[in-house]
Amino acid sequence: EAGVAQSPRYKIIEKRQSVAFWCNPISGHATLYWYQQILGQGPKLLIQFQNNGVVDDSQLPKDRFSAERLKGVDSTLKIQPAKLEDSAVYLCASSLGGGRSPLHFGNGTRLTVT
Amino acid sequence: AQSVTQLGSHVSVSEGALVLLRCNYSSSVPPYLFWYVQYPNQGLQLLLKYTSAATLVKGINGFEAEFKKSETSFHLTKPSAHMSDAAEYFCAVSDQAAGNKLTFGGGTRVLVKP
Repeated sequence: EAGVAQSPRYKIIEKRQSVAFWCNPISGHATLYWYQQILGQGPKLLIQFQNNGVVDDSQLPKDRFSAERLKGVDSTLKIQPAKLEDSAVYLCASSLGGGRSPLHFGNGTRLTVT
Repeated sequence: AQSVTQLGSHVSVSEGALVLLRCNYSSSVPPYLFWYVQYPNQGLQLLLKYTSAATLVKGINGFEAEFKKSETSFHLTKPSAHMSDAAEYFCAVSDQAAGNKLTFGGGTRVLVKP
């Protein structure tokens, strides 16, 4: 089966600019996640979707971050305006749903904010 | 709230030696537990998972982990390290009481010496 696709792989922007990341999950996976992984740390959940509804966005900085999952398939994560501390790898993952189901991760987008 | 602690951010082992990575968790309900591996510039890949069946879980690449409820631990082991095991390893717990949110530990980077 095709894996989770993410683009772009790398992005360099200046602070206060905006950026968007795209994710295409594994076909049939109802649950989609966006994680932020800062260098040297474990991934931190930003937002979790079940189909096109939000399950958890408690750690999403909503003043600058937004995410959507139209039609319950692809998803985009946007940052506007970016700050230096947003430099990280943004990982998208999908699963069939339920606590037993493992997450399948994309290769991530490495964002550098200068 | 659930949490995961991985003891040791870096571990160095000789090729052929035992690999032991420690993970302790806290959870208010019986947990689902996972180990993931991350190679450079890649996403996370599932190594193994515990979902309340056998307490000794075997995974890919010769790894296994044992769930010990009394110690709230889920340590990862491999009897004989290979150079290809050099990577970062993450322990994670799924909280069934919070929409199956997956929380990761800080990770342990494994270096394998020839």
